[in-house]
Amino acid sequence: QKEVEQNSGPLSVPEGAIASLNCTYSDRVSQSFFWYRQYSGKSPELIMSIYSNGDKEDGRFTAQLNKASQYVSLLIRDSQPSDSATYLCAVSKAVAGGGADGLTFGKGTHLIIQP
Amino acid sequence: ETGVTQTPRHLVMGMTNKKSLKCEQHLGHNAMYWYKQSAKKPLELMFVYNFKEQTENNSVPSRFSPECPNSSHLFLHLHTLQPEDSALYLCASSQGSPWGEAFFGQGTRLTVV
Repeated sequence: QKEVEQNSGPLSVPEGAIASLNCTYSDRVSQSFFWYRQYSGKSPELIMSIYSNGDKEDGRFTAQLNKASQYVSLLIRDSQPSDSATYLCAVSKAVAGGGADGLTFGKGTHLIIQP
Repeated sequence: ETGVTQTPRHLVMGMTNKKSLKCEQHLGHNAMYWYKQSAKKPLELMFVYNFKEQTENNSVPSRFSPECPNSSHLFLHLHTLQPEDSALYLCASSQGSPWGEAFFGQGTRLTVV
């Protein structure tokens, strides 16, 4: 069973519209949730983190978390052609002693913003 | 710039070669990671280091050997690789708590011939 699932797309959205990206995860002890953006040939770039249920807004981006449903989403308002990229959902969990656990990634959703 | 620097950016090596990838972070983080990204597959966690101690090895073949001499530097030593090991290798660092956001280096594009 896959641990983090995303629709691979491509998801095509007209410029100026809202892009909605979704992610589900299987491990209920997951505590931290992240969205990364990855342009072709580049490394992942962190754009949002969320740790508690509800919405978190940062500029044009809104992350939403529902732990009961094991669901994370990312909304991009006023989509721009420069938002065209692959968006990766990642989760992590706590480890004993306060150390870090590595991230588990989904395969990513390829987003295309049409001018 | 994310504050995580990887060298080299590109590497071509034969199956009998030995090479090393280097990662350095300038963020004051205490956790460092190696990930592998292959085409059509999710990013795969390879190794985790917390406070210079290896805390996770995700069943990685022994031809990949990590080294973390201090909390700012991380190496991945490579020997007798296979063509299927060709991939983008990414280093990341975080503050080492469950809440720590991880930042990635630019990656090393490895080709095994």
